[in-house]
Amino acid sequence: DGGITQSPKYLFRKEGQNVTLSCEQNLNHDAMYWYRQDPGQGLRLIYYSQIVNDFQKGDIAEGYSVSREKKESFPLTVTSAQKNPTAFYLCASSMLEGTLYFGDGTRLSIL
Amino acid sequence: QKEVEQDPGPLSVPEGAIVSLNCTYSNSAFQYFMWYRQYSRKGPELLMYTYSSGNKEDGRFTAQVDKSSKYISLFIRDSQPSDSATYLCAMTAGGTSYGKLTFGQGTILTVHP
Repeated sequence: DGGITQSPKYLFRKEGQNVTLSCEQNLNHDAMYWYRQDPGQGLRLIYYSQIVNDFQKGDIAEGYSVSREKKESFPLTVTSAQKNPTAFYLCASSMLEGTLYFGDGTRLSIL
Repeated sequence: QKEVEQDPGPLSVPEGAIVSLNCTYSNSAFQYFMWYRQYSRKGPELLMYTYSSGNKEDGRFTAQVDKSSKYISLFIRDSQPSDSATYLCAMTAGGTSYGKLTFGQGTILTVHP
């Protein structure tokens, strides 16, 4: 089945620790995105990439980093500099001017 | 002030009711308007997509866009318990910014039998 796979579903972070969220797509989409969802705030864009080895900051990139070494993969690292990391993280992909398809998210919590 | 405002609800209606969900926005550059449905602990799925002003109908769902008023709506006819979800409006200016969606806060809808 074609789709977007995010792993893990649940993740816990200790103070001072970096954690990496995985996102893989087999839709052959050019563009990939990371959004953060907090209760009552909708989704906010963290980073996006329209081509391999290139990515741009979204509205709330501070404390996050990404890489795009392969077309099908776009991992997100939540660094210790992100002071409020507890949220639901959603990865999406699209053709360059196409609609976004989302994965089922990773819920990150702080221990 | 947020670029996109959406009444978070929650909204509770009986089965068979007509549901109206709305968003207002401030950025006149927005040209593409979407409604996503999100079930609990799942990612959003695209429900309706509209370009510029006008109406679009798909089964029990109708999306309306009024660019002059910066107002979009989603109507659900004959609502079903399976429609219980969070509904998110989203919009973008398009072009190279196409995938940079700006979302509303989401409206939680419950349809009870």
